[in-house]
Amino acid sequence: GENVEQHPSTLSVQEGDSAVIKCTYSDSASNYFPWYKQELGKRPQLIIDIRSNVGEKKDQRIAVTLNKTAKHFSLHITETQPEDSAVYFCAASGGSNYKPTFGKGTLLTVNP
Amino acid sequence: NAGVTQTPKFRVLKTGQSMTLLCAQDMNHEYMYWYRQDPGMGLRLIHYSVGEGTTAKGEVPDGYNVSRLKKQNFLLGLESAAPSQTSVYFCASSYSMDRGYNEQFFGPGTRLTVL
Repeated sequence: GENVEQHPSTLSVQEGDSAVIKCTYSDSASNYFPWYKQELGKRPQLIIDIRSNVGEKKDQRIAVTLNKTAKHFSLHITETQPEDSAVYFCAASGGSNYKPTFGKGTLLTVNP
Repeated sequence: NAGVTQTPKFRVLKTGQSMTLLCAQDMNHEYMYWYRQDPGMGLRLIHYSVGEGTTAKGEVPDGYNVSRLKKQNFLLGLESAAPSQTSVYFCASSYSMDRGYNEQFFGPGTRLTVL
């Protein structure tokens, strides 16, 4: 089955700095790669996703890049703000894999 | 639209008791999922369903049963609760992967404590 590794597990940055979280996956048939943000005590919510027919996608301060050859994808947050503090999860699904496989999460702390 | 709702929000059980968690969605999603979330362990899939009347095991199915008698509902049962099942339980739903994506829409969660 699919295996998703996520790094780092914790990340602390100063407000205004950039943050990068990386995930690797094992199943070359996977073709959908979402990122979810979970604030403390809340449910996870999708913030951005990418499909295997594109290499990069941006939405304001957030971007995701995908390298299908190397089987890894990354979340980039620029000009971080305290409200970006949360746990971020990557996931992969597609091919014969009906269900998403999640990474273990990254706790991002943005210090004012 | 209410999205994905879960009942109850909180529950305390004694070891050996049983209970059922109810998940409902009004987005006409084909797929539904049950996850548990423990500190440092991320989201672990318990069971999932790809359509009415179907269920399948996820990563951590032992001690749980599920049923999906109606497309909009997905029930998670604990027959004999154990302290190891203390966790936050999230239900989610999505469209089928036939669309090329299966964005998860999560419910608000159920916090379960087993004493």
